[in-house]
Amino acid sequence: GENVEQHPSTLSVQEGDSAVIKCTYSDSASNYFPWYKQELGKGPQLIIDIRSNVGEKKDQRIAVTLNKTAKHFSLHITETQPEDSAVYFCAASSYTGRRALTFGSGTRLQVQP
Amino acid sequence: EAQVTQNPRYLITVTGKKLTVTCSQNMNHEYMSWYRQDPGLGLRQIYYSMNVEVTDKGDVPEGYKVSRKEKRNFPLILESPSPNQTSLYFCASSLRDPRTYNEQFFGPGTRLTVL
Repeated sequence: GENVEQHPSTLSVQEGDSAVIKCTYSDSASNYFPWYKQELGKGPQLIIDIRSNVGEKKDQRIAVTLNKTAKHFSLHITETQPEDSAVYFCAASSYTGRRALTFGSGTRLQVQP
Repeated sequence: EAQVTQNPRYLITVTGKKLTVTCSQNMNHEYMSWYRQDPGLGLRQIYYSMNVEVTDKGDVPEGYKVSRKEKRNFPLILESPSPNQTSLYFCASSLRDPRTYNEQFFGPGTRLTVL
């Protein structure tokens, strides 16, 4: 089955700096890659996603890039703000695989004011 | 307000005492799922349901049961809880199969401690 590895497990940046979180996946048939943000005491919430037919997608300060050849995808957050502090999860799924998303282990991002 | 609700939010129980965690969504979603979240392991799927009366095992189904008698509800049942089921549990729902680019909406979580 699908295996998703996520790095780093913790990331601390200064306010205004950029943050990058990387994930690799194992199933070459994977075609959907969402990112979820989990704030303290809450459930995860979708922030951005990308399909396999697209190499990059942006939404204001966040962007996701996908390299299908290398089987990895990354989340980029620019001009970080304290409210970006949270746990971020990447996920992957393949329409030919199990009817579910496979999540990475999570990255705790701390933005220092 | 569109949401997924879970109850209880916090629960401390003892080994072997049957418990049920309820989950309800008001978005008429077909797909519902239960996850457990443990440090360093991310979110692991326990069970999912594609629609009423259709359920299937996820990655870690041992020790859990589910039912889907109504579209809006998807309770998680622990018949004989054990300490290794101490975890943070999330219910989630999506309009359809999440693989087909459908956003999953998560509940607020249930923190379960089994002594």
